[in-house]
Amino acid sequence: AQSVTQPDIHITVSEGASLELRCNYSYGATPYLFWYVQSPGQGLQLLLKYFSGDTLVQGIKGFEAEFKRSQSSFNLRKPSVHWSDAAEYFCAVGAVSNTGKLIFGQGTTLQVKP
Amino acid sequence: GAGVSQSPSNKVTEKGKDVELRCDPISGHTALYWYRQSLGQGLEFLIYFQGNSAPDKSGLPSDRFSAERTGGSVSTLTIQRTQQEDSAVYLCASSSPGDLQPQHFGDGTRLSIL
Repeated sequence: AQSVTQPDIHITVSEGASLELRCNYSYGATPYLFWYVQSPGQGLQLLLKYFSGDTLVQGIKGFEAEFKRSQSSFNLRKPSVHWSDAAEYFCAVGAVSNTGKLIFGQGTTLQVKP
Repeated sequence: GAGVSQSPSNKVTEKGKDVELRCDPISGHTALYWYRQSLGQGLEFLIYFQGNSAPDKSGLPSDRFSAERTGGSVSTLTIQRTQQEDSAVYLCASSSPGDLQPQHFGDGTRLSIL
């Protein structure tokens, strides 16, 4: 079955510390991978996406993610977290053959300590 | 330019009533998606419209849920005989023509069933 797993429901980091949010997927077709961020009361904003090519992709707000096919993972990273990064983060997978429909993980809530 | 617009932003209704949620996509976006976000859960795909093609309704949870898209633009999601388990945030997204164009999300409608 197609699925996306974000093992960490809640993560707390100190401002200025590095961050890694985990995402594992199970998908029969060639996956296309996305990370979205959701601030309270708002919709989702696309951070970055991976379709093909270089497995390390750069996104907005200083985020990057690395696609590792052997581990079925697409972890999101940021070298230095800012207080404004506190939000909920969603990993999603899609495929051309799937009409663009995305399958989302459960989300990881990031709290940033001053 | 204007983003995806959803109305109302909040809706409180009594169990058993019908509700209509509206989505106005970004101009020129031919693809439109509805998702449901329940408390503590990820986003659940509901329905997808692409141009004049038949919609993908595979995510609708029951026959109480329906959606239409008039003139290839505005979409309405209707829930009949609402139940308490229908309480959630309903998110609409739209995307440009072409495979796996990024989905742009509205801020959602928070639906509460009393």
